[in-house]
Amino acid sequence: AQTVTQSQPEMSVQEAETVTLSCTYDTSENNYYLFWYKQPPSRQMILVIRQEAYKQQNATENRFSVNFQKAAKSFSLKISDSQLGDTAMYFCAFMKPAGGKLIFGQGTELSVKP
Amino acid sequence: DTGVSQDPRHKITKRGQNVTFRCDPISEHNRLYWYRQTLGQGPEFLTYFQNEAQLEKSRLLSDRFSAERPKGSFSTLEIQRTEQGDSAMYLCASSWGYEQYFGPGTRLTVT
Repeated sequence: AQTVTQSQPEMSVQEAETVTLSCTYDTSENNYYLFWYKQPPSRQMILVIRQEAYKQQNATENRFSVNFQKAAKSFSLKISDSQLGDTAMYFCAFMKPAGGKLIFGQGTELSVKP
Repeated sequence: DTGVSQDPRHKITKRGQNVTFRCDPISEHNRLYWYRQTLGQGPEFLTYFQNEAQLEKSRLLSDRFSAERPKGSFSTLEIQRTEQGDSAMYLCASSWGYEQYFGPGTRLTVT
């Protein structure tokens, strides 16, 4: 069975600085998808970034980028130039290639301080 | 594109009552998912549909839970004989490919 682990329950960063959130996963699959979702306080889950395991190039979306290490089964999220609006719970998630369910980690609560 | 909607947003019920939640997916999405999220945890998968077919159910989905998507459009999730442990946020998501888009959730409180 697949598992996703986020070992940092809470993190904080100063506005305009860079922060990295960690995620590791366990699977015997060779092809799969990885995601980072953001859940602001009392608001709905938003997709931040995705990575296809067959792609070696790390995904980037504006200030958000990932460091995907397939052999190490690691998938970290880097947020550059942090903004107050980045304050949220961040969830790492795994999906098999056939689609279907997302398997989520426990989440990292990120606070961006002015 | 109005996004995924869920109704109601909040539900307070007494233990032993039945409740039903509705999810309306993004119109062109053929897959619809239900998750449950308790405070401070990541969402846990409950079940999903492709069109009207229910393709997978989690072991979390006890006999008291049932989900339907009768015409491949909206879906309902019913919980019978609610228990205090059912208190959670129930999230719905939909997709066409592999990116899932979430609704705002229904927060259930069982007293």
